[in-house]
Amino acid sequence: DAGVTQSPTHLIKTRGQQVTLRCSPKSGHDTVSWYQQALGQGPQFIFQYYEEEERQRGNFPDRFSGHQFPNYSSELNVNALLLGDSALYLCASSGGAGGYNEQFFGPGTRLTVL
Amino acid sequence: RKEVEQDPGPFNVPEGATVAFNCTYSNSASQSFFWYRQDCRKEPKLLMSVYSSGNEDGRFTAQLNRASQYISLLIRDSKLSDSATYLCVVTPGYSTLTFGKGTMLLVSP
Repeated sequence: DAGVTQSPTHLIKTRGQQVTLRCSPKSGHDTVSWYQQALGQGPQFIFQYYEEEERQRGNFPDRFSGHQFPNYSSELNVNALLLGDSALYLCASSGGAGGYNEQFFGPGTRLTVL
Repeated sequence: RKEVEQDPGPFNVPEGATVAFNCTYSNSASQSFFWYRQDCRKEPKLLMSVYSSGNEDGRFTAQLNRASQYISLLIRDSKLSDSATYLCVVTPGYSTLTFGKGTMLLVSP
């Protein structure tokens, strides 16, 4: 049973560029949440997708947007990258028979903005 | 005030020691509580849920005091493999997790 997968694992971009990160949830899960983890900090909630719609959103600017596809996979897009966007981006899935409280995290995408 | 606050670390303990982590949360509407473990440069993994009655899983004991909005994690007989960052997590609902900053534990031989 494949767990949560994310791609790419590492990414280097320059300020002003745009980036797309991808996530495939654990089999049987229908909800995908995205988190940003800066160095030395705990993960911060960006947004959550369920039934292809954004259900909840954290305190992040509109430069951060997302999408969920019919197969429950998800993308996180960040426009006009800033140096402060450098972080580990984590995707977590939940739902289905496992319920919605326990979230399973993918290995993350480490984004560096130069 | 931060939503979830944890003891600043790191905690350095010898093998076999007992160590306790403390956490407070500000949102009284929080419904679920967890401890996650995160190894260096890895993703967080659920260590255990925390229930009002307190719960134990082997060497790990978690406690919740809703009145004080306080959560704790006790690790007995520390192992080298327990070295990691421990993240206190609360959720107000819809499974959106609010993490603390984490407390690093270093267990030495």
